[in-house]
Amino acid sequence: ELKVEQNPLFLSMQEGKNYTIYCNYSTTSDRLYWYRQDPGKSLESLFVLLSNGAVKQEGRLMASLDTKARLSTLHITAAVHDLSATYFCAVVQFPSGTYKYIFGTGTRLKVLA
Amino acid sequence: NAGVMQNPRHLVRRRGQEARLRCSPMKGHSHVYWYRQLPEEGLKFMVYLQKENIIDESGMPKERFSAEFPKEGPSILRIQQVVRGDSAAYFCASSPRTSGRVRFDSYEQYFGPGTRLTVT
Repeated sequence: ELKVEQNPLFLSMQEGKNYTIYCNYSTTSDRLYWYRQDPGKSLESLFVLLSNGAVKQEGRLMASLDTKARLSTLHITAAVHDLSATYFCAVVQFPSGTYKYIFGTGTRLKVLA
Repeated sequence: NAGVMQNPRHLVRRRGQEARLRCSPMKGHSHVYWYRQLPEEGLKFMVYLQKENIIDESGMPKERFSAEFPKEGPSILRIQQVVRGDSAAYFCASSPRTSGRVRFDSYEQYFGPGTRLTVT
């Protein structure tokens, strides 16, 4: 069964600092998503990574995918308070044609002024 | 093009009552997924439906929970005799999933705003 793990679970960082969130998954998958969730809100799609070596960047966030290592990273550059949220990765599982998402445990990021 | 709609957004039920959660997929989407998010946790897959068919219900609790997606109208997640442990956010997602050649975005899921169920 596909398992998705994120670390760290909690991250408190100062504004202006850099940090990386890791997402490991246990079986092969062709695509990986990163989402942001603010408290009490729905999921905001950040990135979809479709192939090995894929790298995408938006503002201070950059995501990459290594399908051989079954690892994705979400790198935060020069963090600002507005990035405080919970970040989830999700991997698509393809059993019998159902494309359900398997979500990681989430990383709760708090950026301190 | 309206996104995925869910209602109600907040639902309060007493133990033993029934909860009905509705999800209207995006226009043109015929596939619906339900996920549950317990407090401080990630989303967990519950069920995947097409119109009038349950495709995968491997994440549904065996008792008290049921889902449907009729030919007309929204998809409904029904929880009978709710207990406090059912308190969670329930998210619906829809995808287009075209037949024939599969395009890379044909099974991308679009999430609704969620229904937050509180059982008192």
